[in-house]
Amino acid sequence: DAGITQSPRHKVTETGTPVTLRCHQTENHRYMYWYRQDPGHGLRLIHYSYGVKDTDKGEVSDGYSVSRSKTEDFLLTLESATSSQTSVYFCAISEWAGTARESTGELFFGEGSRLTVL
Amino acid sequence: GENVEQHPSTLSVQEGDSAVIKCTYSDSASNYFPWYKQELGKGPQLIIDIRSNVGEKKDQRIAVTLNKTAKHFSLHITETQPEDSAVYFCAASTSPAAGNKLTFGGGTRVLVKP
Repeated sequence: DAGITQSPRHKVTETGTPVTLRCHQTENHRYMYWYRQDPGHGLRLIHYSYGVKDTDKGEVSDGYSVSRSKTEDFLLTLESATSSQTSVYFCAISEWAGTARESTGELFFGEGSRLTVL
Repeated sequence: GENVEQHPSTLSVQEGDSAVIKCTYSDSASNYFPWYKQELGKGPQLIIDIRSNVGEKKDQRIAVTLNKTAKHFSLHITETQPEDSAVYFCAASTSPAAGNKLTFGGGTRVLVKP
């Protein structure tokens, strides 16, 4: 299994409070992603990172920010949590998949962080 | 942006029968189509993928077909077994070589009845 650790695994918080989810990898992969999973919507990309301090928005980035100060850590922050952000959050990693390599850029997922905003 | 539709949302099959899940995508520039399997309480795991220059790919009991003209692709599982029960996601990407920003379908919950 890919070395990906998400913390916390479960969190209950109240509307308006800040929340930070952490993703830690031991694979030295370049790319890191945060997805949220909701029934009927599959997984939707929130933010991703293509290197230290290099991040970009995904399709559902409003209300979320990210930071990556080290290769191994990717933080997702909800500055002021809302009930619509109740979800299961997955971190994923992938390595560079250039044409000279066989890798397809497979995503390896963590086990998820279940967040409930009351 | 890309939009991926997946059907059906739930699928119940008898052990030993085949299961088929279908997906359509909207962006003709998409060129990479993976399928992920998610077991209860776990993160999704890649089970098979196909690139746009290939029409079909098989790996033991699973196969994926791609029709670029119609912009749809399908997952076929033959001789289903109880351990095939899970949620399956299709996805599409235009840039697997530069950070794989996948767009996922809504998922199909497959139940294999013994």
